[in-house]
Order: sequence, then structure tokens, then C-alpha cells
Amino acid sequence: GNSVTQMEGPVTLSEEAFLTINCTYTATGYPSLFWYVQYPGEGLQLLLKATKADDKGSNKGFEATYRKETTSFHLEKGSVQVSDSAVYFCALKRGNTPLVFGKGTRLSVIA
Amino acid sequence: GAVVSQHPSWVICKSGTSVKIECRSLDFQATTMFWYRQFPKQSLMLMATSNEGSKATYEQGVEKDKFLINHASLTLSTLTVTSAHPEDSSFYICSAETGGPQHFGDGTRLSIL
Repeated sequence: GNSVTQMEGPVTLSEEAFLTINCTYTATGYPSLFWYVQYPGEGLQLLLKATKADDKGSNKGFEATYRKETTSFHLEKGSVQVSDSAVYFCALKRGNTPLVFGKGTRLSVIA
Repeated sequence: GAVVSQHPSWVICKSGTSVKIECRSLDFQATTMFWYRQFPKQSLMLMATSNEGSKATYEQGVEKDKFLINHASLTLSTLTVTSAHPEDSSFYICSAETGGPQHFGDGTRLSIL
């Protein structure tokens, strides 16, 4: 079946550090890939997405590239801020089926 | 702005009470709505998928008589937790789509005393 594996957290970084959160997937066919962010006490917000191989999704300084050959969609940001502290979920979607989420990675950025 | 509104955001009630959570798509007609449950520091677990005007499809292990889902219109779905008990305490999140990305509500934190 379809599944998403993302790196275990928590991840603690200093402000302005480089961020990478790894995500790999298993799916039949060609899923769309997503990163969602959940701030404390809130629901999920779509951060970025990519719908086909080699697409790069980007938003708010975050970016991720859909790599079919490595079945990966790693999230990166060049310089994190305290306000980026949240839980990040990698997810995939095939057709009309619901999103399948990874377990989430908690990021804490300290000043 | 928010495209999916979920209400209430926080509920505290006594054991045995039934609780209704509403999920509304504000600026689009949602052909499909999803209900998720999230335990502390864990991922989202899909509970059920509902299409307007038809019965919800529940995931394995989710009690349909305990978690009643009604999707009466293209902009409203409700989840009723019947005779809630402390083990039902959790964060419930709805999501809606109309062929594009899933949009999420802000969630409802349910605490059963």
C-alpha cells in the first residue's frame, strides 16, 4: 500500500541554521506529494506540494523536490526562524484517495 | 483566509455526553470530506471519508455507531461522538476537497471528564 516515512524528531536548530527533513514514500503509480505544517494547537496548513517528478514546490523559504528515482520529497530551508517551530508532515495522495501522512517531525528553533 | 471552518475549537464535557463537531467549507463545495483523529505528538489517523448525500466510509477499527458522520450538504459535514468517554479525548480534524488539495480545519480538541 501507499506509505510515507519521514525522519524522526524532534529536531532542534539555532536560528538561521539550515533545515532538512527527510521524507521518502512508497506508492503505486505517480502520487502527488505534500508538506503540511501544524503550529501548536492548530490544524494543518498546506506548506507546499509537487504533482509530478522533478517538480519543486516552494513557499515561505521552504522547498522540496519530487525525486522519483529516490522516491523522496525532502523539505529544506536555508535559514530557519523561531516562528518556523512547528510539526511538519509529509504526505502523499493518489487520485481520489485520502492523504496518507507520515508520522510528523517536530522542529524547534531556538534564538 | 481559512477555507475550512471547524467548530467548536475546544470542548470539555462529562462522560456519557454526545458531542457534535461541525466542518464547513467556506468558499467551495466539498464533494468529499474527511475526518481525522490525532493523539498527542502523533500523526493524523483517518477515521472516515464522507461524500455528500451518501453514507460515510469508515476505516478499519473505527466504530461507526460511536462516531456518527453526516454529510448533508456540499458545504457541511458533522461528526457526532456519541456517549463520549475519557478514551475519546483527542484532537479531531476535518478536511475537505473538491478534486484539488485537501484543506484542513483548525481542529477540535475534545476533553471528556
